[in-house]
Amino acid sequence: SQKIEQNSEALNIQEGKTATLTCNYTNYSPAYLQWYRQDPGRGPVFLLLIRENEKEKRKERLKVTFDTTLKQSLFHITASQPADSATYLCARSLTGTASKLTFGTGTRLQVTL
Amino acid sequence: EAQVTQNPRYLITVTGKKLTVTCSQNMNHEYMSWYRQDPGLGLRQIYYSMNVEVTDKGDVPEGYKVSRKEKRNFPLILESPSPNQTSLYFCASSPSGTGGEQYFGPGTRLTVT
Repeated sequence: SQKIEQNSEALNIQEGKTATLTCNYTNYSPAYLQWYRQDPGRGPVFLLLIRENEKEKRKERLKVTFDTTLKQSLFHITASQPADSATYLCARSLTGTASKLTFGTGTRLQVTL
Repeated sequence: EAQVTQNPRYLITVTGKKLTVTCSQNMNHEYMSWYRQDPGLGLRQIYYSMNVEVTDKGDVPEGYKVSRKEKRNFPLILESPSPNQTSLYFCASSPSGTGGEQYFGPGTRLTVT
């Protein structure tokens, strides 16, 4: 069966450092990998999407990489701020079933002063 | 304001009493989907719809029904709710059913006693 795993349940870093979150998948290569931010009691908010033929995507302080050899996506937040504290979810869809989105369980990021 | 709305936001009900959670989007999106979120299990897709009158099962469809009679609305129906359907439910929409970003509603917290 297809699995998507976010290995770290929680990550604590200091303000100003780069946060790196990991998303691993098994079996087939996803067609798309997406990253979302979720604050307590609220719906997820879309951040970035990367396609299987792309290596890297950037948006302001955010960067996503996609390594099909390692079956892994990394999500980076540079110059992290306390306001970046939230749970970050990765999600994948497979080629041919792009409307079926499977989410990881999320990594809770805490940025401290 | 572009948004996905869900009603009710909170609901406590008893086993076996039919209920409907409504979902509406004002972005003219083709694709809509329902998820449930449980601690340790993350977001799991229940049903999705690529367009009006086109629906398909996600990963956990048992015990749920959906309909898509209008583009903007995608209600979730629990014909005979059971305690294991106690969860946080999210509706989402997307301009594309081919794996594009999804816009989530605020969530409905359902408790079945």
